[in-house]
Amino acid sequence: GQQVMQIPQYQHVQEGEDFTTYCNSSTTLSNIQWYKQRPGGHPVFLIQLVKSGEVKKQKRLTFQFGEAKKNSSLHITATQTTDVGTYFCAPRGVTGGGNKLTFGTGTQLKVEL
Amino acid sequence: DGGITQSPKYLFRKEGQNVTLSCEQNLNHDAMYWYRQDPGQGLRLIYYSQIVNDFQKGDIAEGYSVSREKKESFPLTVTSAQKNPTAFYLCASSITGAPNQPQHFGDGTRLSIL
Repeated sequence: GQQVMQIPQYQHVQEGEDFTTYCNSSTTLSNIQWYKQRPGGHPVFLIQLVKSGEVKKQKRLTFQFGEAKKNSSLHITATQTTDVGTYFCAPRGVTGGGNKLTFGTGTQLKVEL
Repeated sequence: DGGITQSPKYLFRKEGQNVTLSCEQNLNHDAMYWYRQDPGQGLRLIYYSQIVNDFQKGDIAEGYSVSREKKESFPLTVTSAQKNPTAFYLCASSITGAPNQPQHFGDGTRLSIL
């Protein structure tokens, strides 16, 4: 079955530094979604990647989908305190599973002033 | 405002007691989901429903039960068979029949054992 690893588990950065989290799958993916969960809050959908090699940007956030569609990354440029939270990838395998998402374990980001 | 409402926000369960968590949505979504989140961990799927009067087990369904009698409502019962129920429970919904649709989450219910 599909195994998903998200790294790192934790990341502390100084405000203004960059941050990257990676999501790696043992199998080829159909698509991948990314969510952000603020401390004490609920996950909020950020973006979905579908195409091989796809790159999407949202202001300081850059999302990439690998050429082989087995990995993805989220990069934040010049972090701010508002970026604090846990970032989850939610990949969907090519073998289906309907509307059922599998969430990665998440990367918890802390930003220090 | 369209959204998902979960209640209560905090819930305490006594040993041997069943408790029911409410989830209501007015987004007109067909699919609804229940997840469990333990401290510092990701989300694990308990049950999901893609249409009224139908639901499927997720990865950790043991000790839980659901019903889907109305499109808007997907209550979760944590039964006494669930020996470690303390967790953060999240309800979500999405447009069914479209596997690429994002999921929208409620604010969650924190369940603790007394």
